[in-house]
Amino acid sequence: DTGVSQNPRHKITKRGQNVTFRCDPISEHNRLYWYRQTLGQGPEFLTYFQNEAQLEKSRLLSDRFSAERPKGSFSTLEIQRTEQGDSAMYLCASSLGTRGLWNEQFFGPGTRLTVL
Amino acid sequence: RKEVEQDPGPFNVPEGATVAFNCTYSNSASQSFFWYRQDCRKEPKLLMSVYSSGNEDGRFTAQLNRASQYISLLIRDSKLSDSATYLCVVNANSGANNLFFGTGTRLTVIP
Repeated sequence: DTGVSQNPRHKITKRGQNVTFRCDPISEHNRLYWYRQTLGQGPEFLTYFQNEAQLEKSRLLSDRFSAERPKGSFSTLEIQRTEQGDSAMYLCASSLGTRGLWNEQFFGPGTRLTVL
Repeated sequence: RKEVEQDPGPFNVPEGATVAFNCTYSNSASQSFFWYRQDCRKEPKLLMSVYSSGNEDGRFTAQLNRASQYISLLIRDSKLSDSATYLCVVNANSGANNLFFGTGTRLTVIP
Protein backbone atom coordinates (compact mmCIF):
# COMPACT_ATOMS: atom_id res chain seq x y z
CA ASP A 1 0.00 0.00 0.00
CA THR A 2 1.64 3.25 -1.12
CA GLY A 3 -0.83 5.63 0.56
CA VAL A 4 -0.44 7.61 3.77
CA SER A 5 -0.25 5.34 6.79
CA GLN A 6 -0.82 6.16 10.44
CA ASN A 7 -0.10 4.24 13.62
CA PRO A 8 -1.67 3.31 15.86
CA ARG A 9 -5.17 3.31 14.42
CA HIS A 10 -6.72 3.48 17.87
CA LYS A 11 -5.36 4.68 21.20
CA ILE A 12 -7.12 4.65 24.55
CA THR A 13 -5.34 6.43 27.36
CA LYS A 14 -6.01 7.82 30.78
CA ARG A 15 -6.13 11.54 31.40
CA GLY A 16 -2.70 12.92 32.18
CA GLN A 17 -0.76 10.36 30.14
CA ASN A 18 1.39 11.22 27.13
CA VAL A 19 0.66 9.75 23.71
CA THR A 20 2.56 9.75 20.43
CA PHE A 21 1.22 9.09 16.96
CA ARG A 22 3.15 8.37 13.81
CA CYS A 23 2.44 9.27 10.19
CA ASP A 24 4.23 7.91 7.15
CA PRO A 25 3.42 10.04 4.09
CA ILE A 26 3.46 9.01 0.46
CA SER A 27 7.15 8.56 -0.22
CA GLU A 28 7.83 11.39 -2.69
CA HIS A 29 5.62 13.93 -0.91
CA ASN A 30 7.51 16.81 0.67
CA ARG A 31 4.54 18.35 2.50
CA LEU A 32 2.91 16.83 5.55
CA TYR A 33 -0.10 18.08 7.51
CA TRP A 34 -1.79 17.18 10.77
CA TYR A 35 -5.53 17.75 11.29
CA ARG A 36 -7.90 16.94 14.12
CA GLN A 37 -11.50 15.88 13.60
CA THR A 38 -14.17 15.61 16.28
CA LEU A 39 -17.56 13.98 15.88
CA GLY A 40 -19.88 15.94 13.61
CA GLN A 41 -17.18 18.39 12.55
CA GLY A 42 -14.87 18.69 9.60
CA PRO A 43 -11.12 18.29 10.05
CA GLU A 44 -9.32 21.26 11.65
CA PHE A 45 -5.77 22.17 10.66
CA LEU A 46 -3.11 21.71 13.35
CA THR A 47 0.29 22.04 11.69
CA TYR A 48 2.22 21.71 8.44
CA PHE A 49 5.74 20.63 7.45
CA GLN A 50 7.64 21.23 4.27
CA ASN A 51 10.37 18.62 4.35
CA GLU A 52 11.69 18.75 7.94
CA ALA A 53 10.68 22.37 8.59
CA GLN A 54 7.52 23.07 10.55
CA LEU A 55 6.18 26.12 8.70
CA GLU A 56 2.72 26.66 10.14
CA LYS A 57 1.03 25.98 13.45
CA SER A 58 -2.60 26.56 14.30
CA ARG A 59 -3.59 28.29 17.51
CA LEU A 60 -5.37 24.98 18.25
CA LEU A 61 -1.94 23.48 18.83
CA SER A 62 -1.45 24.19 22.52
CA ASP A 63 1.85 23.87 24.36
CA ARG A 64 0.96 20.27 25.20
CA PHE A 65 1.16 19.35 21.52
CA SER A 66 4.39 18.93 19.63
CA ALA A 67 5.05 17.64 16.15
CA GLU A 68 8.29 16.65 14.49
CA ARG A 69 9.47 15.49 11.11
CA PRO A 70 13.17 14.99 11.78
CA LYS A 71 14.32 13.61 8.45
CA GLY A 72 11.62 15.04 6.25
CA SER A 73 9.94 11.66 5.91
CA PHE A 74 7.71 10.32 8.70
CA SER A 75 6.25 12.61 11.34
CA THR A 76 5.22 12.21 14.97
CA LEU A 77 2.59 14.09 16.91
CA GLU A 78 2.92 13.98 20.70
CA ILE A 79 0.30 15.09 23.18
CA GLN A 80 1.49 15.56 26.74
CA ARG A 81 -0.75 15.41 29.80
CA THR A 82 -3.77 14.39 27.77
CA GLU A 83 -7.17 15.83 28.59
CA GLN A 84 -10.61 14.46 27.78
CA GLY A 85 -11.05 17.27 25.28
CA ASP A 86 -8.17 15.82 23.27
CA SER A 87 -10.36 12.86 22.29
CA ALA A 88 -10.66 13.05 18.51
CA MET A 89 -9.51 11.54 15.24
CA TYR A 90 -6.03 12.77 14.33
CA LEU A 91 -5.57 12.82 10.57
CA CYS A 92 -2.32 13.11 8.68
CA ALA A 93 -2.17 14.20 5.05
CA SER A 94 0.63 14.62 2.56
CA SER A 95 1.08 16.37 -0.76
CA LEU A 96 3.71 17.03 -3.36
CA GLY A 97 4.13 20.75 -2.86
CA THR A 98 4.91 23.05 -5.74
CA ARG A 99 5.59 26.69 -4.94
CA GLY A 100 2.55 28.83 -5.59
CA LEU A 101 0.36 25.91 -6.57
CA TRP A 102 -2.06 23.82 -4.60
CA ASN A 103 -1.52 20.10 -4.79
CA GLU A 104 -4.05 17.53 -3.65
CA GLN A 105 -3.66 16.44 -0.06
CA PHE A 106 -3.99 12.70 0.47
CA PHE A 107 -5.22 11.69 3.88
CA GLY A 108 -4.25 8.74 6.01
CA PRO A 109 -6.82 6.60 7.86
CA GLY A 110 -6.32 8.54 11.08
CA THR A 111 -5.57 7.68 14.69
CA ARG A 112 -8.62 7.68 16.94
CA LEU A 113 -7.70 8.88 20.43
CA THR A 114 -9.93 8.30 23.41
CA VAL A 115 -8.95 9.91 26.70
CA LEU A 116 -10.70 8.42 29.71
CA ARG B 1 -17.38 33.35 12.22
CA LYS B 2 -16.33 30.01 10.76
CA GLU B 3 -14.21 30.00 7.61
CA VAL B 4 -16.62 27.61 5.89
CA GLU B 5 -20.28 27.07 6.72
CA GLN B 6 -22.49 24.34 5.38
CA ASP B 7 -25.80 22.74 6.28
CA PRO B 8 -25.01 19.51 8.17
CA GLY B 9 -28.21 17.84 6.91
CA PRO B 10 -28.94 15.00 6.97
CA PHE B 11 -30.29 14.74 3.47
CA ASN B 12 -32.24 11.53 2.86
CA VAL B 13 -33.11 11.11 -0.81
CA PRO B 14 -34.44 8.24 -2.92
CA GLU B 15 -32.26 6.56 -5.49
CA GLY B 16 -32.28 8.47 -8.76
CA ALA B 17 -33.02 11.82 -7.15
CA THR B 18 -31.07 15.02 -7.73
CA VAL B 19 -29.65 16.64 -4.62
CA ALA B 20 -27.78 19.91 -4.12
CA PHE B 21 -25.46 21.01 -1.32
CA ASN B 22 -24.34 24.55 -0.67
CA CYS B 23 -21.74 26.22 1.43
CA THR B 24 -20.43 29.71 2.06
CA TYR B 25 -16.93 30.88 2.90
CA SER B 26 -15.91 33.97 4.84
CA ASN B 27 -12.52 34.92 3.38
CA SER B 28 -12.99 36.82 0.14
CA ALA B 29 -9.29 36.26 -0.65
CA SER B 30 -9.81 32.49 -0.86
CA GLN B 31 -8.39 31.07 -4.05
CA SER B 32 -9.03 27.35 -4.22
CA PHE B 33 -12.21 25.42 -3.54
CA PHE B 34 -12.97 21.73 -3.30
CA TRP B 35 -15.51 19.12 -2.38
CA TYR B 36 -14.23 16.17 -0.39
CA ARG B 37 -16.15 13.01 0.36
CA GLN B 38 -15.86 11.19 3.67
CA ASP B 39 -17.37 7.78 4.27
CA CYS B 40 -18.26 6.74 7.80
CA ARG B 41 -15.10 6.17 9.88
CA LYS B 42 -12.89 6.74 6.85
CA GLU B 43 -10.54 9.51 5.79
CA PRO B 44 -11.64 12.40 3.54
CA LYS B 45 -10.95 11.96 -0.16
CA LEU B 46 -10.97 14.62 -2.85
CA LEU B 47 -14.16 14.43 -4.92
CA MET B 48 -13.55 17.39 -7.18
CA SER B 49 -12.00 20.82 -7.38
CA VAL B 50 -14.33 23.76 -8.01
CA TYR B 51 -13.42 26.21 -10.75
CA SER B 52 -14.79 29.70 -11.36
CA SER B 53 -16.38 28.61 -14.60
CA GLY B 54 -18.07 25.65 -12.95
CA ASN B 55 -17.12 22.08 -13.69
CA GLU B 56 -18.73 18.72 -14.16
CA ASP B 57 -17.53 15.20 -13.54
CA GLY B 58 -20.09 12.62 -14.58
CA ARG B 59 -23.11 12.99 -12.32
CA PHE B 60 -21.43 15.66 -10.20
CA THR B 61 -21.47 19.39 -10.97
CA ALA B 62 -19.69 22.03 -8.89
CA GLN B 63 -20.31 25.76 -9.07
CA LEU B 64 -18.53 28.74 -7.54
CA ASN B 65 -20.00 32.22 -7.04
CA ARG B 66 -17.18 34.49 -5.91
CA ALA B 67 -19.42 37.55 -5.52
CA SER B 68 -21.63 35.72 -3.03
CA GLN B 69 -18.78 33.59 -1.63
CA TYR B 70 -20.87 30.53 -2.28
CA ILE B 71 -20.02 27.03 -3.51
CA SER B 72 -22.43 24.32 -4.59
CA LEU B 73 -22.40 20.63 -5.45
CA LEU B 74 -25.13 18.98 -7.50
CA ILE B 75 -25.48 15.21 -7.65
CA ARG B 76 -27.76 13.83 -10.35
CA ASP B 77 -29.25 10.35 -10.50
CA SER B 78 -28.20 9.53 -6.92
CA LYS B 79 -26.81 6.05 -6.29
CA LEU B 80 -26.77 4.13 -3.03
CA SER B 81 -22.99 4.39 -3.15
CA ASP B 82 -23.22 8.19 -2.98
CA SER B 83 -24.23 7.91 0.70
CA ALA B 84 -21.47 9.74 2.58
CA THR B 85 -20.59 13.07 4.14
CA TYR B 86 -19.67 15.81 1.67
CA LEU B 87 -17.17 18.34 2.95
CA CYS B 88 -16.88 21.82 1.48
CA VAL B 89 -13.22 22.86 1.59
CA VAL B 90 -11.42 26.14 1.00
CA ASN B 91 -7.71 26.93 0.66
CA ALA B 92 -7.17 30.51 1.78
CA ASN B 93 -4.80 31.56 -0.99
CA SER B 94 -2.43 29.93 -3.41
CA GLY B 95 0.49 30.24 -1.00
CA ALA B 96 -1.29 28.92 2.08
CA ASN B 97 -1.00 25.28 2.76
CA ASN B 98 -3.79 24.38 5.10
CA LEU B 99 -7.36 23.59 4.19
CA PHE B 100 -10.47 24.88 5.92
CA PHE B 101 -13.24 22.32 6.07
CA GLY B 102 -16.94 22.81 6.61
CA THR B 103 -18.74 20.56 9.06
CA GLY B 104 -19.89 18.37 6.20
CA THR B 105 -23.33 17.52 4.85
CA ARG B 106 -24.49 13.99 5.41
CA LEU B 107 -26.26 12.31 2.51
CA THR B 108 -28.16 9.04 2.68
CA VAL B 109 -29.54 7.62 -0.56
CA ILE B 110 -32.47 5.32 0.12
CA PRO B 111 -33.38 2.36 -2.11
